[in-house]
Amino acid sequence: GQNIDQPTEMTATEGAIVQINCTYQTSGFNGLFWYQQHAGEAPTFLSYNVLDGLEEKGRFSSFLSRSKGYSYLLLKELQMKDSASYLCAVRDSNYQLIWGAGTKLIIKP
Amino acid sequence: IAGITQAPTSQILAAGRRMTLRCTQDMRHNAMYWYRQDLGLGLRLIHYSNTAGTTGKGEVPDGYSVSRANTDDFPLTLASAVPSQTSVYFCASSEAVGGGEDTQYFGPGTRLTVL
Repeated sequence: GQNIDQPTEMTATEGAIVQINCTYQTSGFNGLFWYQQHAGEAPTFLSYNVLDGLEEKGRFSSFLSRSKGYSYLLLKELQMKDSASYLCAVRDSNYQLIWGAGTKLIIKP
Repeated sequence: IAGITQAPTSQILAAGRRMTLRCTQDMRHNAMYWYRQDLGLGLRLIHYSNTAGTTGKGEVPDGYSVSRANTDDFPLTLASAVPSQTSVYFCASSEAVGGGEDTQYFGPGTRLTVL
């Protein structure tokens, strides 16, 4: 079966750096996405990786290793507004997104 | 530009009733999707449409039906609601012009409770 694993919850301090990991086993791979979802709101797109390596977008970076079935989302200079769930999703061979359950990130002052 | 709108925002429904969740996008995206999100689970695809006039089944299609009469609208119908369909429902859309990133953009969601 297809599986996306991410930690259920993480806690970090305002101003610090946090890394959220995602491992996947899917039938085929056509890209990996990270979304942010604040409580009670819709998921919003953060990043997309299809080739190995690091993609940087301001305070957020995302890394992919296809051979290891592994990605991480790196958040720097954490702000209170970064408290949210972070969803990892892989596009499979049918071009459908398979979603992880999400990582709830709690930021403490 | 509104992006994607969904209606209603929330609904409490008696079991056995019929319900249609509405979704409209103004981005002229080809593809549209319906997901449900339950606590502790990832988003699960119910149905999708790659272009107007076509639909397909996702991971959890049973008890749901969709139609895609035009590019903008993609309603989801529960023919006879059951309590296990209590969930938050998200509609999404993407350009789907072939290959590339094809990011999905989400509506605000409908919170449905079936009693």
